[in-house]
Amino acid sequence: RKEVEQDPGPFNVPEGATVAFNCTYSNSASQSFFWYRQDCRKEPKLLMSVYSSGNEDGRFTAQLNRASQYISLLIRDSKLSDSATYLCVPENYGQNFVFGPGTRLSVLP
Amino acid sequence: DAGVIQSPRHEVTEMGQEVTLRCKPISGHDYLFWYRQTMMRGLELLIYFNNNVPIDDSGMPEDRFSAKMPNASFSTLKIQPSEPRDSAVYFCASSRGGAPMGYTFGSGTRLTVV
Repeated sequence: RKEVEQDPGPFNVPEGATVAFNCTYSNSASQSFFWYRQDCRKEPKLLMSVYSSGNEDGRFTAQLNRASQYISLLIRDSKLSDSATYLCVPENYGQNFVFGPGTRLSVLP
Repeated sequence: DAGVIQSPRHEVTEMGQEVTLRCKPISGHDYLFWYRQTMMRGLELLIYFNNNVPIDDSGMPEDRFSAKMPNASFSTLKIQPSEPRDSAVYFCASSRGGAPMGYTFGSGTRLTVV
């Protein structure tokens, strides 16, 4: 099993839609989890951290399910500007990140 | 803060030439990471430093790759000799406290080896 697995997509959704991505991880020792966003030909940028109790930031909600070892990202009321690749990132034994392959989202007008 | 600064932004070189990529981390950050990104393999960790000391270089593909961090404000990634399969975007990232605190990435160096 790969360390981090994500559906590569693309997810093509209309503006205003709600879309959700899941990400599974294999390292049960991971304590910190993040979602990064990467625009085309740009660097990854931190979107949000994922806590055991979940985390909400405006239209974005991230949740962690330790028992099943996955994290999720929910985007409500999608905007054209949300089009990007979303990278799931569990930390690796407190030292470094293993990035998932990313899920590509295209929000269509 | 200017963020993580990488140079050059683009590099085109001929096979067999030496390539040096540079990175200036955010002041005060004690961890520095070098990643490589390709369509086929995604983001791969090459090496990371803590307080200028290399901690894990297991991701360095082969002896042609080397990285140094002579001080807290500067790091280099060198490829000698370069090969076409080294073509990728190379990102430098830094953080204070390592992975649990999240990373800030530089804009990357797009390397093309012809």
